[in-house]
Amino acid sequence: DTGVSQDPRHKITKRGQNVTFRCDPISEHNRLYWYRQTLGQGPEFLTYFQNEAQLEKSRLLSDRFSAERPKGSFSTLEIQHTEQGDSAMYLCASSRWANRQNTGELFFGEGSRLTVL
Amino acid sequence: AQTVTQSQPEMSVQEAETVTLSCTYDTSESDYYLFWYKQPPSRQMILVIRQEAYKQQNATENRFSVNFQKAAKSFSLKISDSQLGDAAMYFCAYRREGFGNEKLTFGTGTRLTIIP
Repeated sequence: DTGVSQDPRHKITKRGQNVTFRCDPISEHNRLYWYRQTLGQGPEFLTYFQNEAQLEKSRLLSDRFSAERPKGSFSTLEIQHTEQGDSAMYLCASSRWANRQNTGELFFGEGSRLTVL
Repeated sequence: AQTVTQSQPEMSVQEAETVTLSCTYDTSESDYYLFWYKQPPSRQMILVIRQEAYKQQNATENRFSVNFQKAAKSFSLKISDSQLGDAAMYFCAYRREGFGNEKLTFGTGTRLTIIP
């Protein structure tokens, strides 16, 4: 399977602990995105990378959140000192650069569900 | 800021019938893309159909078609001959055109139930 994979699929943690999620994009995709989805809502943009460069960060990405894509391949999203409000599904997606000839379609992983107790 | 509104939290349709999901959006841009994504239970989100704002012709993908009304800022999805596998959350999404405009803005979704 060459789709987007995310690990772990589920994470339960206590408030104040740190958690890290990993995303492996489709291999030929140079763009990688993180979204957060809470219950009853659509996904909200957090950040995106082109290769190893983080080009945009949402205001939703507080100082407790950090994302990296060190070699332009896989990415990690770390949340420090988790709070109950961080409970959500964290979605990763990848794409090729969009232009008039290709859709720039985002391919999503199945997500990593975080529960903060 | 761009916003996307889906006013139907839930919809249901009999198998083999046709259903239309509504979406409106707000933008001051003239060039952009609109998308419908499908999120089946416990599975990843997949693209159903996309529309470029500069195209007047409505996009069609097999049983899925859109009604794009640019002046009204409306983008509805029609699913014909509904099948059990169509049951999912459907999200409408917007993205500005142009390099660097990578953020997708999603609506809150419509849960579609297919009645056998």
